[in-house]
Amino acid sequence: AQSVTQLGSHVSVSEGALVLLRCNYSSSVPPYLFWYVQYPNQGLQLLLKYTTGATLVKGINGFEAEFKKSETSFHLTKPSAHMSDAAEYFCADEKLTFGTGTRLTIIP
Amino acid sequence: DSGVTQTPKHLITATGQRVTLRCSPRSGDLSVYWYQQSLDQGLQFLIQYYNGEERAKGNILERFSAQQFPDLHSELNLSSLELGDSALYFCASSVAWGDSYEQYFGPGTRLTVT
Repeated sequence: AQSVTQLGSHVSVSEGALVLLRCNYSSSVPPYLFWYVQYPNQGLQLLLKYTTGATLVKGINGFEAEFKKSETSFHLTKPSAHMSDAAEYFCADEKLTFGTGTRLTIIP
Repeated sequence: DSGVTQTPKHLITATGQRVTLRCSPRSGDLSVYWYQQSLDQGLQFLIQYYNGEERAKGNILERFSAQQFPDLHSELNLSSLELGDSALYFCASSVAWGDSYEQYFGPGTRLTVT
C-alpha cells in the first residue's frame, strides 16, 4: 500500500533561517504528491503539488519541494523562514493518504 | 477563503446522538471528500463522492454515512456517537476525481461529544 511518512512532528527554526520539512513516500510507481499547510483554526491549503515533469516544484509563499525518486523523498523547503510560516504542514499522496503532519515553529 | 463552506462551525452533542454535517463545494467542483482530524489519529480520509456517486472509501465507520445531492452539496451523518468521535471534520472539493487534482478544504466542523 502506498503511504507517506513525515519525519519530525515538530520543527523549530529561527526567523530568516532555512526551513526543511521531510516527507518520504512508498510507491513502486511515480506518485502524485502534495504539500498542504494548515494555519491554526483553519482548513488545509495547498502549497504545491508534484505530478510529472520537473522535479523541482515551486509553490506559494516561497516554498518549494524537490521530488527525488532515488531517495523516495519530497522534502519541502523555504530559504528564509518568516513568522507567518508558523503552521502545521502535511504531505499527501494521490491516494488521499496524509502524513502525520509537522508543526513548524518560528523563533523570533 | 477556499470557496468551500461547512456548517455548523461547532457542534456539541451527547453520546448516542446523531448529527449531520453539511458541506457546499466550490462552484464548479464535482468531487467532495470528507476527513476526520483528531489528535490521536491525525487526518483520516473518510469518503469521496463524485457527481453524486460514491467514488472512494477510507476509514469510515459503519455508524457514519454520507451522500452527495444533485446540487452537489454533501452531508456526513454520524450516528450512535461516542466520545472518541470528537474531532474536526473537514470537507474538501476538487474539480474532478483524478489523482492529480488538488483539493480545496473547508474551515471544518468541530464536533464535541460529551
